[in-house]
Amino acid sequence: DAKTTQPPSMDCAEGRAANLPCNHSTISGNEYVYWYRQIHSQGPQYIIHGLKNNETNEMASLIITEDRKSSTLILPHATLRDTAVYYCIVRVGSGNTGKLIFGQGTTLQVKP
Amino acid sequence: KAGVTQTPRYLIKTRGQQVTLSCSPISGHRSVSWYQQTPGQGLQFLFEYFSETQRNKGNFPGRFSGRQFSNSRSEMNVSTLELGDSALYLCASSPRTGTNTEAFFGQGTRLTVV
Repeated sequence: DAKTTQPPSMDCAEGRAANLPCNHSTISGNEYVYWYRQIHSQGPQYIIHGLKNNETNEMASLIITEDRKSSTLILPHATLRDTAVYYCIVRVGSGNTGKLIFGQGTTLQVKP
Repeated sequence: KAGVTQTPRYLIKTRGQQVTLSCSPISGHRSVSWYQQTPGQGLQFLFEYFSETQRNKGNFPGRFSGRQFSNSRSEMNVSTLELGDSALYLCASSPRTGTNTEAFFGQGTRLTVV
């Protein structure tokens, strides 16, 4: 079963920041939070991941709460091409294994 | 650097047949995982391979199997195909195993069972 809960859908105006929330209240100490997105039926695209510190890369920022029970993915300036299903995932495993458990994701619609 | 390559991209098979799907990971990546995506169940983990060893397996029947070769390429096999096996099969490669490593997905193989 998925260890994350996300809203099924969200809208965002083009050029504005998109803030996608995720709850993962049962996350364990060594489990990382990952974000992927999927456009139509293409393979999921890696966005970012983190353990407890906030992370930023060229695509997005990841804000993880201090208790690690929730996180927010921020797309700073959404474009129409950011319209996709966004998955918040907890990577479950140990030092020698790690599987991604996908939930239903959030469908983000970026509107002109 | 080339991405994850999955072949074939599309496949149509008849119930009862078997099928083999192939995945070539990103050069230098040693971990390969397989996922099944259907409209009803979403994305589900099938198995994970590292250094030719299966490290983890999802909750799928024994008809689903896989292997990894010494060059890290992987194949998955589904025997005695059922209509419900129609799905997008995705392969992901990672440079290493564990929970702190990005996984990069291929475009998938779309399997239709008729």
